[in-house]
Amino acid sequence: NAGVTQTPKFRVLKTGQSMTLLCAQDMNHEYMYWYRQDPGMGLRLIHYSVGEGTTAKGEVPDGYNVSRLKKQNFLLGLESAAPSQTSVYFCASTNRGKDEKLFFGSGTQLSVL
Amino acid sequence: GQQLNQSPQSMFIQEGEDVSMNCTSSSIFNTWLWYKQDPGEGPVLLIALYKAGELTSNGRLTAQFGITRKDSFLNISASIPSDVGIYFCADIFRAGGTSYGKLTFGQGTILTVHP
Repeated sequence: NAGVTQTPKFRVLKTGQSMTLLCAQDMNHEYMYWYRQDPGMGLRLIHYSVGEGTTAKGEVPDGYNVSRLKKQNFLLGLESAAPSQTSVYFCASTNRGKDEKLFFGSGTQLSVL
Repeated sequence: GQQLNQSPQSMFIQEGEDVSMNCTSSSIFNTWLWYKQDPGEGPVLLIALYKAGELTSNGRLTAQFGITRKDSFLNISASIPSDVGIYFCADIFRAGGTSYGKLTFGQGTILTVHP
């Protein structure tokens, strides 16, 4: 019962480095999301996708790019990491008509030095 | 955009005690959601509320959708150590009637339960 799988679980980057976070879901969900979680701020939506080949900006998209080339995968890229991007990143997915029940991965802890 | 304010920010209680937390919004909501995040994991949906005045239970958890549609509360009765975690209220962000599952989360209430 995999659900939503995020890789890697932890990563440390130096300022200016790039990296890609991978999210994979095996529930055939249409919608996928990337959130970031910072202390005292809850979860904030970075980007989302409502289907293969489509992406859209969320609340805090600056500094990030995403791609959804396959329905089951949603990639989050940081082209030039900044210390302000130190956070815990969560991927989530759900199906059309089940908007309220998001299935989350277990998170990626990213530190940018 | 929608603003959600949760209180308290954190709670330290003894096992067996009852817990109450609430969430208020700056605008009228059509849905209130309560999620729980266990340490080291992603959030999981606990309860969804869809209409004003609705009271819904899930085991020892009870949540209510406020009559004004601008608030909601979550109660946990007879707390146990596994209740530890962060509790989030959330709403589905809708623009023109379409949501695509985009949620707006409150800041969270951190619950610690001492055995």
